[in-house]
Amino acid sequence: GESVGLHLPTLSVQEGDNSIINCAYSNSASDYFIWYKQESGKGPQFIIDIRSNMDKRQGQRVTVLLNKTVKHLSLQIAATQPGDSAVYFCAEILVGNEKLTFGTGTRLTIIP
Amino acid sequence: SQTIHQWPATLVQPVGSPLSLECTVEGTSNPNLYWYRQAAGRGLQLLFYSVGIGQISSEVPQNLSASRPQDRQFILSSKKLLLSDSGFYLCAWRDKRSRGNQPQHFGDGTRLSIL
Repeated sequence: GESVGLHLPTLSVQEGDNSIINCAYSNSASDYFIWYKQESGKGPQFIIDIRSNMDKRQGQRVTVLLNKTVKHLSLQIAATQPGDSAVYFCAEILVGNEKLTFGTGTRLTIIP
Repeated sequence: SQTIHQWPATLVQPVGSPLSLECTVEGTSNPNLYWYRQAAGRGLQLLFYSVGIGQISSEVPQNLSASRPQDRQFILSSKKLLLSDSGFYLCAWRDKRSRGNQPQHFGDGTRLSIL
């Protein structure tokens, strides 16, 4: 089974608002985490990553937060746009291991 | 820049027929390569990975096999397809030079339907 899960399977957000997608992971030994965006009919696209020695990392309009105490990962998307509509997956891995474990995904819908 | 190609994009095959899906990566050398399957509305399940030519690791027992005949080519095969082999198959690559702290990058997948 998968060790990474998501709290909300679907999320609808008004265009221009911020969105937060949450993820829980179960392997406390995981030390590298990735967020992917998957549009319909496409492969997952890398968004942002974070190592376990960090608790926050920012990209363009996206921020990933890592709380190792409660094994929680979140993806914040600022000023959402229609193109942000997609399924978002978190994934975890133990560096040195080749198995990237994915969560089940959250479908984000941006309402115009 | 690096690119990854998968083909075909869609495939409809009868039960019991053979399968060959191909994946190639350009713009890098000696990558790690991966095959995943994604069921509808679900996350990705790792099927196989390869750290070099001829080196294949299988993650789950199944009706499929993988091969890596060249550095940047990864093939997913089956001798006899089952209905349960239907799904979305994704190939991915990763640069191994940075000792694991690099994301896997995915192709656009092959949607396989077994009739």
